[in-house]
Amino acid sequence: DAKTTQPPSMDCAEGRAANLPCNHSTISGNEYVYWYRQIHSQGPQYIIHGLKNNETNEMASLIITEDRKSSTLILPHATLRDTAVYYCIVSYSWGKLQFGAGTQVVVTP
Amino acid sequence: SAVISQKPSRDICQRGTSLTIQCQVDSQVTMMFWYRQQPGQSLTLIATANQGSEATYESGFVIDKFPISRPNLTFSTLTVSNLSPEDSSIYLCSVEMGQETQYFGPGTRLLVL
Repeated sequence: DAKTTQPPSMDCAEGRAANLPCNHSTISGNEYVYWYRQIHSQGPQYIIHGLKNNETNEMASLIITEDRKSSTLILPHATLRDTAVYYCIVSYSWGKLQFGAGTQVVVTP
Repeated sequence: SAVISQKPSRDICQRGTSLTIQCQVDSQVTMMFWYRQQPGQSLTLIATANQGSEATYESGFVIDKFPISRPNLTFSTLTVSNLSPEDSSIYLCSVEMGQETQYFGPGTRLLVL
């Protein structure tokens, strides 16, 4: 599976959009981009995934560049409950997720 | 989505002993997974547990140390054998629920003294 690079930490103001970048320059054609988050002391929570097209659900939006070498997770209106570690994962096999270090997002009032 | 429970939620064990962790899902699933999260670290996949077949282990994990059972489509156990302090971690199970997503249990926090 391709490797991903994420900033180790980000701060975000409550109510503002949070834009979380992820680089995956070695992604192959059949690999998906997945985003999960882990709130402290809980199991990871699925957020969204995509292959080529941008995706949106009730939690977030996923923007994938045309060359698929990077992506951005957008939390449109961050709340304090969005404070968590966010993992960007690239995998051809959704069943075998290789978690990296992720980005620690802190939402402040 | 799925409701996943794990037992125990936490335990303190003596070195040399074993701990068996249970994972229960509220619906039938084909694939279940076991992960380890060492203190301050990210998650590492231990093995994939399919009903009716042997578990498939990732590199660095062996059946003698982490035996897994999968007796039916809603239940699995992970045993951590011959415990040492290095086994102190959070152990999580997850399940596939279609639509290419995994749902995770709350985790079992193990401390080995």
